[in-house]
Amino acid sequence: AAGVIQSPRHLIKEKRETATLKCYPIPRHDTVYWYQQGPGQDPQFLISFYEKMQSDKGSIPDRFSAQQFSDYHSELNMSSLELGDSALYFCASSRMGTGGGYTFGSGTRLTVV
Amino acid sequence: AQTVTQSQPEMSVQEAETVTLSCTYDTSESDYYLFWYKQPPSRQMILVIRQEAYKQQNATENRFSVNFQKAAKSFSLKISDSQLGDAAMYFCAYRTILSSGGGADGLTFGKGTHLIIQP
Repeated sequence: AAGVIQSPRHLIKEKRETATLKCYPIPRHDTVYWYQQGPGQDPQFLISFYEKMQSDKGSIPDRFSAQQFSDYHSELNMSSLELGDSALYFCASSRMGTGGGYTFGSGTRLTVV
Repeated sequence: AQTVTQSQPEMSVQEAETVTLSCTYDTSESDYYLFWYKQPPSRQMILVIRQEAYKQQNATENRFSVNFQKAAKSFSLKISDSQLGDAAMYFCAYRTILSSGGGADGLTFGKGTHLIIQP
């Protein structure tokens, strides 16, 4: 079965640079979620989209923005990167109305140097 | 805001034995979802089991079952016949049903329990 695809798998950026992470949800899934997991931490919810509209917002820094496109894929844009942004970034997807749980991608590991 | 607490940073169990991971949560809502996710060394987040708060019956998935005590706000995970492949970080998570986020609300995770399986 198709899974949630995230790219790239690994990314190294310097401080103050910009990074773009991409997420391709499971086919027919209309909802996308972004999470950040720092080293040794639990995942923290950043933002979600349903039918290309922002749905819920968590602890997403103002330096970060995201959107969902007409094909339902989503991109997380991160500017003015800081060392503390080094983390594993997960995308997850679900189909609205199917009961609560969702499927995570394998994550993008971002290292800021 | 909801909070999720996992009081056991690490647990160890012998292969083939049974282990129970604890989770408590705090919420003022009456309906919600609870989850257990497994994160092995690969860092993939894998859904283990899901419970809907309005359902009385405890969820079960093969060797994994939960003990959901709604009044006590407790949601423990029991793993029977532990296998080496069960070694992972286990996260308990909460999700509201009464959505303020257009239905796409984020999960609130606990800090996790690191499960070690002794051969």
